[in-house]
Amino acid sequence: AQSVSQHNHHVILSEAASLELGCNYSYGGTVNLFWYVQYPGQHLQLLLKYFSGDPLVKGIKGFEAEFIKSKFSFNLRKPSVQWSDTAEYFCAVNKAAGNKLTFGGGTRVLVKP
Amino acid sequence: GAGVSQSPRYKVTKRGQDVALRCDPISGHVSLYWYRQALGQGPEFLTYFNYEAQQDKSGLPNDRFSAERPEGSISTLTIQRTEQRDSAMYRCASSWTSGSTDTQYFGPGTRLTVL
Repeated sequence: AQSVSQHNHHVILSEAASLELGCNYSYGGTVNLFWYVQYPGQHLQLLLKYFSGDPLVKGIKGFEAEFIKSKFSFNLRKPSVQWSDTAEYFCAVNKAAGNKLTFGGGTRVLVKP
Repeated sequence: GAGVSQSPRYKVTKRGQDVALRCDPISGHVSLYWYRQALGQGPEFLTYFNYEAQQDKSGLPNDRFSAERPEGSISTLTIQRTEQRDSAMYRCASSWTSGSTDTQYFGPGTRLTVL
């Protein structure tokens, strides 16, 4: 069975700092990769996804992620965070031939103004 | 309101009672998914439907859990004889198609507490 690991459970940083959240998955076949975000009081929403092509994917709100197949990783990055990026971030994966998502445990990010 | 809606938003019940959680997907979405999220963890897949057909129920933890989508739109997740370990956030999502690359749009969730 596939699994997803997010290395950091909590991250605290100041505005304008750079953010990188790690995500690794275990599955040997072809996968699709997603990052979802949940802002306080809101529901999960998609930040970005990768399924083919350029392994560097750009999403909403200045986020990007890089798929490194050899490392089974899909790390999320933002060069300069804002207070409004305070949220919980979830990495998820599904098989190319399936659709049910397997999520990581999430990373809570707190951006101090 | 064009998003996925769920009701109730909060449900407190006593152990042994049955509960029914409702999901109203985005209009026209073919696929509907149920996930469960325990505190401090990510969502875990329970089951999904294409139209009214339940395609995969491999994530349902036991036979107390069931789901239906009789007309291919609204879905109900039913938990019979609830137990304290059923306490969690239950999330519903829908997507235009069943394609693996299709975005799943999530609702606000139902927070279930079993006393």
